[in-house]
Amino acid sequence: DVKVTQSSRYLVKRTGEKVFLECVQDMDHENMFWYRQDPGLGLRLIYFSYDVKMKEKGDIPEGYSVSREKKERFSLILESASTNQTSMYLCASSLWGSTRDIQYFGAGTRLSVL
Amino acid sequence: DQQVKQNSPSLSVQEGRISILNCDYTNSMFDYFLWYKKYPAEGPTFLISISSIKDKNEDGRFTVFLNKSAKHLSLHIVPSQPGDSAVYFCAARGNYGGSQGNLIFGKGTKLSVKP
Repeated sequence: DVKVTQSSRYLVKRTGEKVFLECVQDMDHENMFWYRQDPGLGLRLIYFSYDVKMKEKGDIPEGYSVSREKKERFSLILESASTNQTSMYLCASSLWGSTRDIQYFGAGTRLSVL
Repeated sequence: DQQVKQNSPSLSVQEGRISILNCDYTNSMFDYFLWYKKYPAEGPTFLISISSIKDKNEDGRFTVFLNKSAKHLSLHIVPSQPGDSAVYFCAARGNYGGSQGNLIFGKGTKLSVKP
């Protein structure tokens, strides 16, 4: 069974704080993704990575950065949290080169920025 | 510009009846389509998929139909059960450029199955 683990289910942070969201997968997947989910907006891609130390911007990268120092771990960083970053954050992983490209998701981190 | 559209934000169905969730796309380069189900406070889970070379894929109570000429796919759930109540996301893979493995998601349709 593929397992994608997000370190926190719920987080409450203050405006201006630096926030780290951690994601670990145990299936040796090359691809990892960070999305945010907001009501009426669906899943929007923030950043993705195809390999260690590699990152690519998604559709809404502003205000975020990422780090991938190890294959199994992909971190999302909010350099200075703002209230409009209150959201559900979802991490996913998939196998590179697969004909099916199924992404496996973690349970999500609900972040509230006050 | 939305490339994957789920025009119905919500759908309510009686238990035992058929649920039909619809999805439209604009990019003819999409070659693979997936449906995900999401319960509140959980991550999306993969449900069923279809390649663009097929027009139907079936897995138990779930069937996905693809109409390439209309750029339309639909998910049929028969019979619907209360446990199917969730948000359903349609997703498409654009296997072009440098974006292999990326999925483009619709905004989701919330299905409610009433006992």
